[in-house]
Amino acid sequence: DADVTQTPRNRITKTGKRIMLECSQTKGHDRMYWYRQDPGLGLRLIYYSFDVKDINKGEISDGYSVSRQAQAKFSLSLESAIPNQTALYFCATSDFSRRSTDTQYFGPGTRLTVL
Amino acid sequence: QKEVEQDPGPLSVPEGAIVSLNCTYSNSAFQYFMWYRQYSRKGPELLMYTYSSGNKEDGRFTAQVDKSSKYISLFIRDSQPSDSATYLCAMSAGNAGNMLTFGGGTRLMVKP
Repeated sequence: DADVTQTPRNRITKTGKRIMLECSQTKGHDRMYWYRQDPGLGLRLIYYSFDVKDINKGEISDGYSVSRQAQAKFSLSLESAIPNQTALYFCATSDFSRRSTDTQYFGPGTRLTVL
Repeated sequence: QKEVEQDPGPLSVPEGAIVSLNCTYSNSAFQYFMWYRQYSRKGPELLMYTYSSGNKEDGRFTAQVDKSSKYISLFIRDSQPSDSATYLCAMSAGNAGNMLTFGGGTRLMVKP
């Protein structure tokens, strides 16, 4: 079984709809992240969480919100989706205590299309 | 200007060739350097991890860091079609809470 899972894997929605992307992990890591990937722009950080009670905005948080329901679960919401949020979304986890930097492990991604 | 620059490619090479992938960066505080490999429709997976300057070898892969030039490289020897993927460099300053900064990725195609 995969250590980091994301649901759904693909989603097509319309402008103005509320969308939730979910991430679960079995790695036992405290840190979880949400990124979006656009062609040529690499991975850009949306939100990150160092534990259940710690949520932080990343580089591009506008238009997004998150919820850390448990150590293993981290959800990303688009309250009112717009077409320029069409992208590939990745969840990642890391265990900072094992290394001196954030070596991150990624889920398989969710391809979101907003029409 | 982006903090981490990476040629997007695509880079097309014949099987067996030596591949060189590169990133340049502007933040002198970066001291941890990583290469991730991403196959089509998959999440990135960690390939190589290097601290500070120098070389690190793992099988057919060699990661090289030159902090004085703010330049990192990934070499792939005896490239295989299975190496066809997008390669992303990533780096951080390593402080608690310090995030990874990614390059845009280079798409590599190894042709049989």
